[in-house]
Amino acid sequence: NAGVMQNPRHLVRRRGQEARLRCSPMKGHSHVYWYRQLPEEGLKFMVYLQKENIIDESGMPKERFSAEFPKEGPSILRIQQVVRGDSAAYFCASSPSFSNPLTDTQYFGPGTRLTVL
Amino acid sequence: DQQVKQNSPSLSVQEGRISILNCDYTNSMFDYFLWYKKYPAEGPTFLISISSIKDKNEDGRFTVFLNKSAKHLSLHIVPSQPGDSAVYFCAASFSNAGGTSYGKLTFGQGTILTVHP
Repeated sequence: NAGVMQNPRHLVRRRGQEARLRCSPMKGHSHVYWYRQLPEEGLKFMVYLQKENIIDESGMPKERFSAEFPKEGPSILRIQQVVRGDSAAYFCASSPSFSNPLTDTQYFGPGTRLTVL
Repeated sequence: DQQVKQNSPSLSVQEGRISILNCDYTNSMFDYFLWYKKYPAEGPTFLISISSIKDKNEDGRFTVFLNKSAKHLSLHIVPSQPGDSAVYFCAASFSNAGGTSYGKLTFGQGTILTVHP
């Protein structure tokens, strides 16, 4: 039973380029969360998606960032025109449902480390 | 606006002794609390959780205590083992008005635990 998969694990981009980060949730999970961890900080919530729906994007920067979770395929976090401040570890988590917070643990992927030169 | 705080950046403990990691929160709407463990270059791994209707939850060597009046929770690890050396994050979430978990986690900054043999 494969866990949450993220790719690439490491991504290097030059300022102004686009970054695409992919997340495949655990089998049977239909909810995806993206978090960002800046150096020396904790994880910060960015966006929560269900299949074909963005439920909460309150943590997303207003510009350049977008996320999707299509009916088929992985969830994508897209960062346009990257800047040095976007350098961080980006983690994806998935959960099967959230009708019961006592059982619906979020399982995290290994993260994508984005470096902007 | 740091709603979940871990004021100790690091903790060093001797193998076999107790490790106590602390966490404070400011948002009284939080009603579900979790601890995650994270190794370098990996995603966070769920350890233990507690609902606000309880004041203690135990799972093997790990016990989480919740003091709602003080808005404080702690994780006790006993006995500590060298393999416990990692970064520990506390996180909090809250249910929406319908009683179902919203799922969005707010993390503390993390505490680096080092267990010496």
